[in-house]
Amino acid sequence: GAVVSQHPSWVICKSGTSVKIECRSLDFQATTMFWYRQFPKQSLMLMATSNEGSKATYEQGVEKDKFLINHASLTLSTLTVTSAHPEDSSFYICSASRQGETQYFGPGTRLLVL
Amino acid sequence: AQSVAQPEDQVNVAEGNPLTVKCTYSVSGNPYLFWYVQYPNRGLQFLLKYITGDNLVKGSYGFEAEFNKSQTSFHLKKPSALVSDSALYFCAVREGSGYSTLTFGKGTMLLVSP
Repeated sequence: GAVVSQHPSWVICKSGTSVKIECRSLDFQATTMFWYRQFPKQSLMLMATSNEGSKATYEQGVEKDKFLINHASLTLSTLTVTSAHPEDSSFYICSASRQGETQYFGPGTRLLVL
Repeated sequence: AQSVAQPEDQVNVAEGNPLTVKCTYSVSGNPYLFWYVQYPNRGLQFLLKYITGDNLVKGSYGFEAEFNKSQTSFHLKKPSALVSDSALYFCAVREGSGYSTLTFGKGTMLLVSP
């Protein structure tokens, strides 16, 4: 149980385009989903927290208009990187939790912006 | 504010030997403590957690961790290391009461030699 999937697993796009990443909890209803960013050989940096049906809460320094988060249902959250630039290239990881319990992580999405 | 320290960037151990990955934490209230493992280009896998109760917590793949309140530590241990245990290990903490996000340590790379 507690499986979280992400799609796509990797994506290459041109600078200026937008990229959408999906995060799904496959076998449980996630009241809260989290989006992290991880740079090479570094820890996870929390970008935002989203609760189903409400607006996401962004961490300080994360542009909400740049990283659009939608938590449309108890099993799906999406992160859209708008007008992506090379500095947005990173490993994006989502996690999901049920009622504030353990966070279960997706396999991650590697984004490369050319 | 809550924080996690993983003092070792890398731990080297021979297969069959016991391993310890260190973690200390700081949190204002009761700590909820977690260990996750990350394999290359993958998301994080949950290993174990301490919420309350017995200070010795047993988790996946033969790992265990001991909560020590006086030393504010939550070291990860395994009696006999396997080469396949080689990965990046993250300790994380959140305050138990109310709502708070996870704070991760910087990670410790475990290398188990044959």
